[in-house]
Amino acid sequence: KAGVTQTPRYLIKTRGQQVTLSCSPISGHRSVSWYQQTPGQGLQFLFEYFSETQRNKGNFPGRFSGRQFSNSRSEMNVSTLELGDSALYLCASSWTGFDEKLFFGSGTQLSVL
Amino acid sequence: EDQVTQSPEALRLQEGESSSLNCSYTVSGLRGLFWYRQDPGKGPEFLFTLYSAGEEKEKERLKATLTKKESFLHITAPKPEDSATYLCAVQATGNQFYFGTGTSLTVIP
Repeated sequence: KAGVTQTPRYLIKTRGQQVTLSCSPISGHRSVSWYQQTPGQGLQFLFEYFSETQRNKGNFPGRFSGRQFSNSRSEMNVSTLELGDSALYLCASSWTGFDEKLFFGSGTQLSVL
Repeated sequence: EDQVTQSPEALRLQEGESSSLNCSYTVSGLRGLFWYRQDPGKGPEFLFTLYSAGEEKEKERLKATLTKKESFLHITAPKPEDSATYLCAVQATGNQFYFGTGTSLTVIP
């Protein structure tokens, strides 16, 4: 059974650019959530999607957005990149998102120069 | 405000030297407390879920316990392959997960 797949693995961008990250959940999982991981802040919740609807959102500026497709695949977009956006972006999937463990991908390491 | 705090930030143990990691939390309505292990360059990997105070879960050299305000991850006779960052997360009534910043464990042969 394939795990959660995130692409690309590494990204280097410059300030002001925008970026799109992709996540393919485990087959059958309908909940996909995104996290930002930095050494000082740990994992910070960005948003969660279930059946193409954003069900929950963390405290991030509107430059961070996402969407989920009918096959549960999800994308995350960051516009007008800032240096502080450099981080490991993790995607996690689960069956329903309630009272169950999350399965994480290996993440996309984003560096903003 | 919902919050999860882990201590210590880093821990170095000799192989075979048992210890405990702490996770204290303040959330409005705990749905579950989760422990994950994260190796460098990888995403977190699930270890345990605890749902109510008094509950315990065990797997090989690891044992997780839960009280109303904190959880402990006990590591008995650790081996070098147990070296990793251990993350604690709580899921509150709003369904959102809150993660601690983790404890980086190094087990020296």
